[in-house]
Amino acid sequence: GAVVSQHPSRVICKSGTSVKIECRSLDFQATTMFWYRQFPKQSLMLMATSNEGSKATYEQGVEKDKFLINHASLTLSTLTVTSAHPEDSSFYICSAMAGYTGELFFGEGSRLTVL
Amino acid sequence: GENVEQHPSTLSVQEGDSAVIKCTYSDSASNYFPWYKQELGKRPQLIIDIRSNVGEKKDQRIAVTLNKTAKHFSLHITETQPEDSAVYFCAASMNRDDKIIFGKGTRLHILP
Repeated sequence: GAVVSQHPSRVICKSGTSVKIECRSLDFQATTMFWYRQFPKQSLMLMATSNEGSKATYEQGVEKDKFLINHASLTLSTLTVTSAHPEDSSFYICSAMAGYTGELFFGEGSRLTVL
Repeated sequence: GENVEQHPSTLSVQEGDSAVIKCTYSDSASNYFPWYKQELGKRPQLIIDIRSNVGEKKDQRIAVTLNKTAKHFSLHITETQPEDSAVYFCAASMNRDDKIIFGKGTRLHILP
């Protein structure tokens, strides 16, 4: 099946710094990518929908200025957590939609720990 | 917007028995219903999906049923095995390119 690569898998940062997470579709083009946040033992919470070449669509309650999403190409979307705080610590997962089937493929996830 | 409810939140089943997880959705316009399996610390993986033009789909030990009238769909796993232990998420979306809304997940334990 299609492969989505997410990097880094783990990141530890200090409060106030920014962290960028990359999501790449390796063998297909993804016009639409999604970013989720997952708290321990909880479901995937959709943060935003990322469309190539346009601004991301954020879900209600998600701060646009805090979680910057860029989808500059058909194979890459990035999530930047700006001025990170301990409450931003979480598991962030991206997914990419394969245009030919509509199937959703997930990245491996990135565990962010903010000290 | 769409809301997906999933039950139960935890399910323990004896190895070899069947497991059933149920979901309901709120928006009658939803027409795509995938199920994902997530093992601890790993990414969710699609295990089966169904579209609103069919009522049932089966793939070996896994089957999904859809009742559009009741806005209800279920995952059935037969002859459960230890490797079936994981968290299962149901989801719904309105069309192929639309966002997918997930249920809260069911933690399935297969007992030896």
